[in-house]
Amino acid sequence: ETGVTQSPTHLIKTRGQQVTLRCSSQSGHNTVSWYQQALGQGPQFIFQYYREEENGRGNFPPRFSGLQFPNYSSELNVNALELDDSALYLCASSLDGFRSLAGELFFGEGSRLTVL
Amino acid sequence: GEDVEQSLFLSVREGDSSVINCTYTDSSSTYLYWYKQEPGAGLQLLTYIFSNMDMKQDQRLTVLLNKKDKHLSLRIADTQTGDSAIYFCAPFGDYKLSFGAGTTVTVRA
Repeated sequence: ETGVTQSPTHLIKTRGQQVTLRCSSQSGHNTVSWYQQALGQGPQFIFQYYREEENGRGNFPPRFSGLQFPNYSSELNVNALELDDSALYLCASSLDGFRSLAGELFFGEGSRLTVL
Repeated sequence: GEDVEQSLFLSVREGDSSVINCTYTDSSSTYLYWYKQEPGAGLQLLTYIFSNMDMKQDQRLTVLLNKKDKHLSLRIADTQTGDSAIYFCAPFGDYKLSFGAGTTVTVRA
């Protein structure tokens, strides 16, 4: 049990729709990152939030956006869904920003998105 | 960007030791992590090592780091059926973890 919770666990959308995924970080952790894991592959970094600001971004288009709230929980929003967006979306939390010493870095169980 | 390479499959007999190897390219990685993923599940943190260390032991797990060769390994002693999973090494640097495709470990009786 990592203390990182994600919702929903599973969802199905159609092409062109929008989706919002949610993540509650472990108590005391102020940094949240999002990763996309396509079937059969390793996770790919989407972006990181540290103290409510985007603090790093991977090679994902602008239709992938996020927020971090004052309680350090976070949302991932994906607009104009495409078939290739079907994946497991993982949230990871840690303390004091990935720019510094990361230390323990915990993942949630993920949100599995299917785009039809 | 960071490239991470692992062998894709490892088969091991129950009770033997498993050794999973990983090579990476970014020498500025500060921490190097090992995660376990069971089917349909998220990533479970197994252990991690700071880049100024060359070995870390944690119960059945031993991590070896050769920073010069950018080589990381995870040894699992007394491998059990519950150790069957995909294992990812993930160097951390420049805000993020970098993952390869992972090593699928199958434990046979």
